[in-house]
Amino acid sequence: DAEITQSPRHKITETGRQVTLACHQTWNHNNMFWYRQDLGHGLRLIHYSYGVQDTNKGEVSDGYSVSRSNTEDLPLTLESAASSQTSVYFCASSYLRDRGLNEQFFGPGTRLTVL
Amino acid sequence: KQEVTQIPAALSVPEGENLVLNCSFTDSAIYNLQWFRQDPGKGLTSLLLIQSSQREQTSGRLNASLDKSSGRSTLYIAASQPGDSATYLCAATQGGSEKLVFGKGTKLTVNP
Repeated sequence: DAEITQSPRHKITETGRQVTLACHQTWNHNNMFWYRQDLGHGLRLIHYSYGVQDTNKGEVSDGYSVSRSNTEDLPLTLESAASSQTSVYFCASSYLRDRGLNEQFFGPGTRLTVL
Repeated sequence: KQEVTQIPAALSVPEGENLVLNCSFTDSAIYNLQWFRQDPGKGLTSLLLIQSSQREQTSGRLNASLDKSSGRSTLYIAASQPGDSATYLCAATQGGSEKLVFGKGTKLTVNP
């Protein structure tokens, strides 16, 4: 079955380290998104991509970067991890058929702790 | 800028009760509105998607309505069950894009 996976599921790192979270989908979806979820803030968009070589900043992109070299993967990199980036990170994807029909499907999430 | 609000933040009901969850949004120029379910420690599961041209969508015991003119959507759950206990999230697309803006959710507890 087609699916969207994230790895690792849990990660503990230290302030200042570079961290990369993986997202892989097998639906052949054009669109991919990264969100973070925090108590009191809900889900917020970090970066998104509408296709290979396309990347865009979301609402809370500072300190994060993404690259899209193929359809299946959108890795999220924290350039220099900060304690404020402790959060649960979700990847999502959708297929651009017609505007209004692009249902987003979510991965299981990665819980990141920055000490 | 799209803003999405969900009220109440938490709701507790006895099993078997019909209930309504509310969602409001500020920008009516949406492509669609989606309702998701999130269980503790899990990802989001898509429940219903309503296109901007639709008034409602149904899936089993769930019915979602959309009123763009008033900036409101409701999720109706019929004959609630303990297994419906979860956080329900509403998300609307933002200004002519595929991006979703999420509300903070309503935490539903259905008591046996």
